[in-house]
Amino acid sequence: DAGVIQSPRHEVTEMGQEVTLRCKPISGHNSLFWYRQTMMRGLELLIYFNNNVPIDDSGMPEDRFSAKMPNASFSTLKIQPSEPRDSAVYFCASSKGQGVGETQYFGPGTRLLVL
Amino acid sequence: GNSVTQMEGPVTLSEEAFLTINCTYTATGYPSLFWYVQYPGEGLQLLLKATKADDKGSNKGFEATYRKETTSFHLEKGSVQVSDSAVYFCALSPGGGATNKLIFGTGTLLAVQP
Repeated sequence: DAGVIQSPRHEVTEMGQEVTLRCKPISGHNSLFWYRQTMMRGLELLIYFNNNVPIDDSGMPEDRFSAKMPNASFSTLKIQPSEPRDSAVYFCASSKGQGVGETQYFGPGTRLLVL
Repeated sequence: GNSVTQMEGPVTLSEEAFLTINCTYTATGYPSLFWYVQYPGEGLQLLLKATKADDKGSNKGFEATYRKETTSFHLEKGSVQVSDSAVYFCALSPGGGATNKLIFGTGTLLAVQP
């Protein structure tokens, strides 16, 4: 079975540009998570969805960040406008359900560099 | 609040040495506990988990026991290999609600030398 798919794997952009990261969860999984990983702050949960509905977006840094899940097989994380401090690795993860103890499966990540 | 504290790395060991990576947690309710591993340039993979007190998770020679009395979930392996070199993350999923969102520790880099 295919795992979580993320694209692009690497993105280099200039400050002020719009960046869109994409994620395809594992088929049959109902929950989807976006994380950000930096050296300074480690792994942070940005937002998660259950059945395509955003459940908790308290980790989204500011209004420049937005996430959507238009259907069960696709999600986007958008940064507009991007800033150098947004440089990080962004991971998408999915799970079958959202019960405590359900395993999350991570994608390979998108490494974003904002110049 | 909920938080996870891991021992600082890097941890450098020789092949076949015994490994312990300490993890303690603070949580309201009854969390589930996880260890994830991240190999260079890759995403995180679940290594093992435990969902209630006194449970032992195990996989690939790694073990961790959910100790409620000491709020700990230390990772151990009896004999490490060079291929175990990676970053290890301890994480918890808070109890008390219908959610499996994860709160991660800072990660511990393990380097195993031949």
